[in-house]
Amino acid sequence: DVQLVQSGGGLVKPGGSLRLSCVASGFTFSSYLVNWVRQAPGKGLEWVSSISATSGYIYYADSVKGRFTISRDNAKNSLYLQMNSLRAEDTGVYYCSSGTRLDHWGQGTLVTVSS
Amino acid sequence: DVVMTQSPLFLPVTLGQPASISCTSSQSLVYSTGNTYLMWFQQKPGQSPRRLIYEVAIRDSGVPDRFSGSGSGTHFTLKISRVEAEDVAVYYCMQGTHWPRTFGQGTKLEI
Repeated sequence: DVQLVQSGGGLVKPGGSLRLSCVASGFTFSSYLVNWVRQAPGKGLEWVSSISATSGYIYYADSVKGRFTISRDNAKNSLYLQMNSLRAEDTGVYYCSSGTRLDHWGQGTLVTVSS
Repeated sequence: DVVMTQSPLFLPVTLGQPASISCTSSQSLVYSTGNTYLMWFQQKPGQSPRRLIYEVAIRDSGVPDRFSGSGSGTHFTLKISRVEAEDVAVYYCMQGTHWPRTFGQGTKLEI
């Protein structure tokens, strides 16, 4: 079975940093583009970032460009999101998702940016 | 950016009756290959989203056949032939043709 297990997240002050991780199993991780999607409390889904299979192509939403960095380690079947200069509006649940068509999703991890 | 517009945003339904959600994109979602990357997701309270349909009309494994997708170009529809209690959720369309990827606002289906 495909699994995406997330970790990281938590409470951080505005301007702080946090790193999210997502470990994949059950499929050939190194062959797939992977994504981060977030959801503010009580709101809809917002695409955040995607990285191609070999990290050759990286995309960001304008709302996080220059502050967030997506990366992956195919040897560890892992996806990361380094979040710097965090703002209150970055608060929400962050999901990792596999594939161009967002085939499978992680369990989500809550990020709270508050003083 | 491609704007995805769903309607209605709230959909009260009766058990056993059909339901339909519309999704309109501000640009054609036909990719250069001829494929159309329009997906539908279901999110139940407290759960991660789950993909129901991809490339407009292809139902994911395990998705009941009462769910169907249709459409082309810029107009798409998710239909539930007979709503069941377990279908209470928020439904999102999303386009995977253009960068940045964009979601519709979500449609909350309520019994």
